[in-house]
Amino acid sequence: GDQVEQSPSALSLHEGTGSALRCNFTTTMRAVQWFQQNSRGSLINLFYLASGTKENGRLKSTFNSKESYSTLHIRDAQLEDSGTYFCAAANTGYQNFYFGKGTSLTVIP
Amino acid sequence: EAAVTQSPRNKVAVTGGKVTLSCNQTNNHNNMYWYRQDTGHGLRLIHYSYGAGSTEKGDIPDGYKASRPSQENFSLILELATPSQTSVYFCASGEGTASQNTLYFGAGTRLSVL
Repeated sequence: GDQVEQSPSALSLHEGTGSALRCNFTTTMRAVQWFQQNSRGSLINLFYLASGTKENGRLKSTFNSKESYSTLHIRDAQLEDSGTYFCAAANTGYQNFYFGKGTSLTVIP
Repeated sequence: EAAVTQSPRNKVAVTGGKVTLSCNQTNNHNNMYWYRQDTGHGLRLIHYSYGAGSTEKGDIPDGYKASRPSQENFSLILELATPSQTSVYFCASGEGTASQNTLYFGAGTRLSVL
C-alpha cells in the first residue's frame, strides 16, 4: 500500500486566502520534502525537513515524525501558486523518498 | 544554483527498441535518481545511485536498467521498450547526507512508445 497519503487531492482557493495541505505516513519517516510542480511540469523544491517547522515567505511547513504527518500551509494565495504540490518522505537512510499522489491547487482571481 | 539536465526532452520509440535516457548534474551530489510520473500515481522510483559505479533498484525496476559511469552522469536504459513504459521520466540529484538530501529535478523527458 501507499506509504504517503496526501490530502486533499484537489483544492481551489481565492486569491488572498489560505489553506493547509497534509501528508500522512503509514510508517515512521525520518525526513520529508515538499515540491511544487508548475504548469511547465518543472518540480521545484519548497522545503526539506528532518523535524520541526520551516517558513519561507507565504509558505510554512511542519513535520511531526512521531505522529506521522507533515503539513504545508499557504497563506495569501497568489495566481502563481497554482500547480500540483507533492510531498515525499524517506523512512530509513534518508536516501529513498516515497512520493504522495499530489494535491492539485487552483488559485481563482 | 543546482543544475540537472536531461536529454532528450522528448522521445518517440518503437515497441521492442532500445531507449537510453541521459541525465547530467553539475552539483557534485552523491545521489542520483530516476522517477517516472503517471497520472494517478505521482512519482515512482525506478533506480537510484549512491555514486559512480553504483546502481540500486527502486520500487518499479522491472524493464529498466541504470548506469552511473561517473559522479555527473546517470542513464536509464530500456532494452526492449513497451507501450506501458510511455510516461514522463524525471532525473534528480541529492547530497545524500542524513541532514540534507534535498532533491533537485531535471525538466523531464516525455517518452512515447508506439
